[in-house]
Amino acid sequence: GESVGLHLPTLSVQEGDNSIINCAYSNSASDYFIWYKQESGKGPQFIIDIRSNMDKRQGQRVTVLLNKTVKHLSLQIAATQPGDSAVYFCAEIEAGNQFYFGTGTSLTVIP
Amino acid sequence: GAVVSQHPSRVICKSGTSVKIECRSLDFQATTMFWYRQFPKQSLMLMATSNEGSKATYEQGVEKDKFLINHASLTLSTLTVTSAHPEDSSFYICSASRQTNTEAFFGQGTRLTVV
Repeated sequence: GESVGLHLPTLSVQEGDNSIINCAYSNSASDYFIWYKQESGKGPQFIIDIRSNMDKRQGQRVTVLLNKTVKHLSLQIAATQPGDSAVYFCAEIEAGNQFYFGTGTSLTVIP
Repeated sequence: GAVVSQHPSRVICKSGTSVKIECRSLDFQATTMFWYRQFPKQSLMLMATSNEGSKATYEQGVEKDKFLINHASLTLSTLTVTSAHPEDSSFYICSASRQTNTEAFFGQGTRLTVV
């Protein structure tokens, strides 16, 4: 797997609505996945993780869904707030602990 | 969560000089540290993976002699950009993890500008 350097897709949602951010990963051998949130000029922050033996995991206001068949990961944010505005990346972790990041999505919450 | 400190947060250097960026895990021992480069509005691109006491593993296309990585202890890794050029200007981010297949904690990033 490789991290990719593409321009970020964007998603705009109204405050209070639910957000769904999608990510396609590349390596079927990856067995651990993480969603990160990155605010402008800062390093990524951990949001939630999921291992390949699960298909869903819930946190506080966030849910991650994993579909290994199509190598797809999604992050659902409930009742989106202005503070949720950021860039969101998924990371796939391969054997040997190599972290690779997806393209990322820029989320803008409209008050 | 664990804390990873990256220093400096911003640096401006002249073309042809070298710059060293430090990445420290403050409250845990990091078996593995990673170095990423990020261009504006783009994803993080893995440059190299370093394990304490051994040579770093570089991703394809990353020049080993230009981006020197040293992981001398379980709490410190350094990235030295040698003979920097304006095209090396970027946001560099490190991360560290305690052990294989576990969460990685990120530094604050370093904004490098080469003039």
